[in-house]
Amino acid sequence: DSGVTQTPKHLITATGQRVTLRCSPRSGDLSVYWYQQSLDQGLQFLIQYYNGEERAKGNILERFSAQQFPDLHSELNLSSLELGDSALYFCASAPGAGTEAFFGQGTRLTVV
Amino acid sequence: GQSLEQPSEVTAVEGAIVQINCTYQTSGFYGLSWYQQHDGGAPTFLSYNALDGLEETGRFSSFLSRSDSYGYLLLQELQMKDSASYFCAVREDAGNKLTFGGGTRVLVKP
Repeated sequence: DSGVTQTPKHLITATGQRVTLRCSPRSGDLSVYWYQQSLDQGLQFLIQYYNGEERAKGNILERFSAQQFPDLHSELNLSSLELGDSALYFCASAPGAGTEAFFGQGTRLTVV
Repeated sequence: GQSLEQPSEVTAVEGAIVQINCTYQTSGFYGLSWYQQHDGGAPTFLSYNALDGLEETGRFSSFLSRSDSYGYLLLQELQMKDSASYFCAVREDAGNKLTFGGGTRVLVKP
């Protein structure tokens, strides 16, 4: 158990809908990262938050947005969903200056 | 652009040694990490190299050559439980943002 909690574990929704994925980082970790992993693909970096502020942005679509709240949990919002958005979405957390990222178990999103 | 190249698949027998190479081209470089991911599971941290040389952690070792933009993960005394995907990832900044390679699927046979 990495100490990072993601909910829900599975999500099935229709095209055009909007969903929210939630992540609770390890206690004390200030950084939260979101990654997307499509079938048999590597992990694509989406976005990073540090202590409530956006720190880095990757290949995140405009239909996607995220935020980190004062209690450090983070949410990833995906809207106008398309079939191609079906993937595993991982959240990871890390201490401010650590070299190891701790991943949650992921949310498997299926868009039908 | 940014890219990390690693072989897509490697097959070996129990007890053998496997080396997974990773070459990278990124805008920033703080270090090279390796992660293991079993099917359906979360990536888990294996090792991190910031300086040139070999880091050994039990049966797994990781090597880095910054001048060659190259690293490798060495898996020794392979066990069935080592069947998984292995990802190299470049830490691009002090904030720990990681850019991942496409992963190498290692299949260990009896």
